[in-house]
Amino acid sequence: DAKTTQPPSMDCAEGRAANLPCNHSTISGNEYVYWYRQIHSQGPQYIIHGLKNNETNEMASLIITEDRKSSTLILPHATLRDTAVYYCIVSYSSGGSYIPTFGRGTSLIVHP
Amino acid sequence: GAVVSQHPSWVICKSGTSVKIECRSLDFQATTMFWYRQFPKQSLMLMATSNEGSKATYEQGVEKDKFLINHASLTLSTLTVTSAHPEDSSFYICSARQPGLEAFFGQGTRLTVV
Repeated sequence: DAKTTQPPSMDCAEGRAANLPCNHSTISGNEYVYWYRQIHSQGPQYIIHGLKNNETNEMASLIITEDRKSSTLILPHATLRDTAVYYCIVSYSSGGSYIPTFGRGTSLIVHP
Repeated sequence: GAVVSQHPSWVICKSGTSVKIECRSLDFQATTMFWYRQFPKQSLMLMATSNEGSKATYEQGVEKDKFLINHASLTLSTLTVTSAHPEDSSFYICSARQPGLEAFFGQGTRLTVV
């Protein structure tokens, strides 16, 4: 079973920030939060991951709450090409325990 | 990010035949590879995990004699769907990773069994 809960769908206006929440209340101390997205009929694309500090890269920012029970993926200026299903995954970083297991994800629709 | 290449992108085969799907890590050595299956409007379902040189570990409900996985090298894993039937029609996706790093995914293979 996936260890995360995400809203099934969200929408966002082009050019605005898209904030995608994820609850992972049973996360353990050594587990990371990973975000992937899947555009229709393609394989998932890695976006970002973090342990407890906030992270930022060229695609997005990841905000993890202090208790690590939830996180938010932020796409600062959403474009139409960001329309996709976004998956939040909790897993260990190394060894045999790292197995990306997907829940239902959030279907983000970016509209003009 | 790292590149994982899957081949073919799509394949149509007759019922009862076997189909092989290749997954290659192009710019890194993948000690672990994962195979997923995805039905329309559903999430990815993990089928099996394979480590280079070892037998694959299959998820519950996945027939290991039907879905043969070979991870013979650090850059190549293959999934063979044996005696395919229409219910095996699906989107198959591989993923590869090296220790301590995130997994990267192939572009997927659309299998249609007629």
